[in-house]
Amino acid sequence: GAVVSQHPSWVICKSGTSVKIECRSLDFQATTMFWYRQFPKQSLMLMATSNEGSKATYEQGVEKDKFLINHASLTLSTLTVTSAHPEDSSFYICSSPTGIGSTEAFFGQGTRLTVV
Amino acid sequence: QKEVEQDPGPLSVPEGAIVSLNCTYSNSAFQYFMWYRQYSRKGPELLMYTYSSGNKEDGRFTAQVDKSSKYISLFIRDSQPSDSATYLCAMESGAQKLVFGQGTRLTINP
Repeated sequence: GAVVSQHPSWVICKSGTSVKIECRSLDFQATTMFWYRQFPKQSLMLMATSNEGSKATYEQGVEKDKFLINHASLTLSTLTVTSAHPEDSSFYICSSPTGIGSTEAFFGQGTRLTVV
Repeated sequence: QKEVEQDPGPLSVPEGAIVSLNCTYSNSAFQYFMWYRQYSRKGPELLMYTYSSGNKEDGRFTAQVDKSSKYISLFIRDSQPSDSATYLCAMESGAQKLVFGQGTRLTINP
């Protein structure tokens, strides 16, 4: 089945630094990639939608200058958390539909970010 | 009011019991309904996917959708300790954007 590979699975960084999270589609072309954030004991909240070759669309309340999304190819989308602060500590997950019109989404393994 | 409401639990049942997990929603435009299982510190895994009202069965899992009541359910029969996880309902109205419930933490006790 379709696989989305997300790296790193966990990262600890200092306040003020930037962290890049990668999601790769391994056996399909990911035209679209969704990026979610999940705080402990809470649901997944959509942060932004990236489309290959175009600018990402951010959900209300998500700072686009802080969460930089790049979707330069059909197999790779990246999320960079810039100038990270402790309140950015969360579980970040990417997902991609398996095809045009498909509502099935396959998720990456998630990245646990801890900002100290 | 949240678009999707799901009791976070926790829910603890003995092995072999039938588990019922539920979500309600307010957006009548939702057409696709999904259940995901998420183990601790892992990404969600798609369990069941249904379109419109009705039942769908897959092994020990049965998903029900009642669009008139805006209510969906997931039943797990003969529950196993390995079923212990957080179960998330998710819904979609179009554009492939999913709206998730809060997730119910389920523990199956041996």
